[in-house]
Parts: sequence; C-alpha cells; structure tokens
Amino acid sequence: QKEVEQNSGPLSVPEGAIASLNCTYSDRGSQSFFWYRQYSGKSPELIMSIYSNGDKEDGRFTAQLNKASQYVSLLIRDSQPSDSATYLCAVNPPSGTYKYIFGTGTRLKVLA
Amino acid sequence: NAGVTQTPKFQVLKTGQSMTLQCAQDMNHNSMYWYRQDPGMGLRLIYYSASEGTTDKGEVPNGYNVSRLNKREFSLRLESAAPSQTSVYFCASSEGRLKGEAFFGQGTRLTVV
Repeated sequence: QKEVEQNSGPLSVPEGAIASLNCTYSDRGSQSFFWYRQYSGKSPELIMSIYSNGDKEDGRFTAQLNKASQYVSLLIRDSQPSDSATYLCAVNPPSGTYKYIFGTGTRLKVLA
Repeated sequence: NAGVTQTPKFQVLKTGQSMTLQCAQDMNHNSMYWYRQDPGMGLRLIYYSASEGTTDKGEVPNGYNVSRLNKREFSLRLESAAPSQTSVYFCASSEGRLKGEAFFGQGTRLTVV
C-alpha cells in the first residue's frame, strides 16, 4: 500500500462546476496535510494546508480532513480553465523529521 | 524575494559523467529536500536535511549524494550518471516544524544519454 494515494485521473469537469479531488493516506498518526497545484512543466505550488479535522476554506478552494477515515480532499468551486493542472496531495508522517510524502497527483481538466 | 533557487534549469549528461545540482533558499528555513519527479511516479524524496549539519536518505537515495553546505544551501551530486537518473529534480525547503509548509524551486530537467 502506498503511503499517499490519489486517483491519477484525468478528472474532467465543465467550467463553473465543483471539482472534487481526493487523497487517502496510510499512516494514521499523520498530522499535517497539504495540497499543491502543478502546471505542466512547472514546479509544485502550495494551495492549502490543513491540520485539524473539518473544513478549511480559502477563496474558491476548500480542504477537508477526516483523520478517522484517513482521508483528505480538495474542492474547487466555480472551476475555471486556468484550474486545469495536476493536484498533488502531500502528508507529513509522524516521524518528527517533517519530510513530505506525495501522492502521484490527480490531473484536472476544466472544460470551457 | 527569490524563495528557492535551483541551478541549472536544464542539463544533458553522458552516461558516467558527474554533476552537482545546486539549491539555495533565502527564507531562513531549517529543512531542505531533494525530490525527483518521473511520469506516473509522482514526487519521490531522494535526500533531505532536517537541519543544518544533518542529512538523511529518502525513498530513492541510490546513486546520489548530498551536502548541506550551510543553512541556505543544499546540493545534490550525481557521481556517475545513468540513464535511469533522467528526471526532473526539485529542491524544496520548509521551516522544519509540524505545521511548516514546503516551498519548491523551479526544477532542473536532467537528461542522461
């Protein structure tokens, strides 16, 4: 079992719709979770971090964390073609060394 | 504010050649990381440095060495390049605390022929 798992996609949504991206992790003691956006040929860019169960909203983005189910998600409201990218989920395992373990990413395509 | 700077951006090596990838951060971060990214494999940790003076192996360390030169700089060396090391390499840094976020450099695209 991979430490961080994501569906590779592509996930296609129409412009203006809600895109829902999901991530599961294997280490139950993990406490820090991150979403990155990566455009083709570019470096990962931090979108959001979340540390507590529940929802965290930032503009059109909402991160959701459920530690009991070992599940973290990212919702993108009013999706735009410019949101088309690969979204990477990252987890800080509870080793105390703060190394970031990444999923393979979900490719999102927003159709105009 | 430059953030994390990597050099070079592109490099072509012949099999068996050596090279060093340079990384510097100006955010006063404690921890630094080297990742490689291959299609379908995501970002895989090669080595990391939790703090100045320490380095540790990540998931795929074979064929690489690192040096944490000071708090700002963390270099990655390929002693004898192999075609399997063709990849995009990213350096990242973080404060090195529980809620610290990692920030990435622009990447180095390395091709070994």
